[in-house]
Amino acid sequence: SQTIHQWPATLVQPVGSPLSLECTVEGTSNPNLYWYRQAAGRGLQLLFYSVGIGQISSEVPQNLSASRPQDRQFILSSKKLLLSDSGFYLCAWRNRDRVRRSNTEAFFGQGTRLTVV
Amino acid sequence: AQSVTQPDIHITVSEGASLELRCNYSYGATPYLFWYVQSPGQGLQLLLKYFSGDTLVQGIKGFEAEFKRSQSSFNLRKPSVHWSDAAEYFCAVGYNKLIFGAGTRLAVHP
Repeated sequence: SQTIHQWPATLVQPVGSPLSLECTVEGTSNPNLYWYRQAAGRGLQLLFYSVGIGQISSEVPQNLSASRPQDRQFILSSKKLLLSDSGFYLCAWRNRDRVRRSNTEAFFGQGTRLTVV
Repeated sequence: AQSVTQPDIHITVSEGASLELRCNYSYGATPYLFWYVQSPGQGLQLLLKYFSGDTLVQGIKGFEAEFKRSQSSFNLRKPSVHWSDAAEYFCAVGYNKLIFGAGTRLAVHP
């Protein structure tokens, strides 16, 4: 069966420090991968998504970047954190949309609570 | 631009009453459509999904949703709400790009 691992669960970082959040998926190949930020009243804001290794689509101009060095690994990074980067970050995966009748709902990790101080 | 609108931020219903949560989208062609639920301190759980075919979709926990192409809507319904349904509900749409609405927080009065 497929599983998704996201770590760390909580993180407190000072302003100006770098960030690296990692997400890995097991039990599937060529998944679509996603990074979301969840904030009260704003739902899940799509930050980045990837349909393959090295292919990153950025949805929101900001202080963050994403990389996909391996098929089932998705990393969210920042060189210098801002206070406004605080939030709850969720990684998700989906089977690729190859055939329109395939199972394509998103499965989420447990999330990372990031507090920038 | 692609978007998902959930017009109701908060909804309060009495236990046993019917429920309808609204979702409207803008996505060009008909995308995949989903409803998720998030209980306090919990992860996101899929309630139901629509890809094609019958526009009335049945999901878990007694929920259903109806896709209306002419209205670009995918509203979630339940005939009789239980206190355990109190949670936040998210509508999502997309193909490779999957976007979510802002959510509707449901409170249930005994």
